[in-house]
Amino acid sequence: DIVMTQTPLSLSVTPGQPASISCKSGQSLLHSDGKTYSFWYLQKPGQPPQLLIYEVSNRFSGVPDRFSGSGSGTDFTLKISRVEAEDVGVYYCMQSVQLPYTFGQGTKLEIK
Amino acid sequence: QVQLVQSGAEVKKPGASVKVSCKTSGYTFTSYYMHWVRQAPGQGLEWMGIINPSGGGTSYAQKFQGRVTMTRDTSTSTVYMELSSLRSEDTAVYYCSSGLRYWGQGTLVTVSS
Repeated sequence: DIVMTQTPLSLSVTPGQPASISCKSGQSLLHSDGKTYSFWYLQKPGQPPQLLIYEVSNRFSGVPDRFSGSGSGTDFTLKISRVEAEDVGVYYCMQSVQLPYTFGQGTKLEIK
Repeated sequence: QVQLVQSGAEVKKPGASVKVSCKTSGYTFTSYYMHWVRQAPGQGLEWMGIINPSGGGTSYAQKFQGRVTMTRDTSTSTVYMELSSLRSEDTAVYYCSSGLRYWGQGTLVTVSS
């Protein structure tokens, strides 16, 4: 199974300041079809996960442009340019290049 | 809009089975593979398996092989996840997800004697 390792596991951010979460996979997420299958999700308290970013850097429908994804191979990053209060929750990275699909441990974002 | 509506909370005894449903609407049912993901209390997300709504083909995480069955009913655009031989460690919220893009609201399954 591909292990997904997130850092940090928690962060506290002042509104308006940037935030960054790293995700490293145990093997490359580059598929033979040329796409890289990394995803980012936000799970707000008491809610199901919501998709933020798919295939490294594509924002899902309705996701604010303050969220961005980057990376390649085994190293991926989610950045929030200016954190807002509604961004609190747990962020997960996930890979879908190989079965079984696997998630990172989660990064809890709180507001200072 | 896309909606995935799951069945209600369940309480089961150890050794029993549970079947959770996920009724979809707002998109072509066969457009996305359906995934099941669970989350134990206070824990992270765990992928359980996938079903192709078109042909019904499935693939399960090895951890659940032999205990999980995923099926679909194309006439009602509904998928099902049945987990058998339940134990206390199966207490979790179970989510269906269409294409890992759209998610159901979750179904809490509690296993307790």
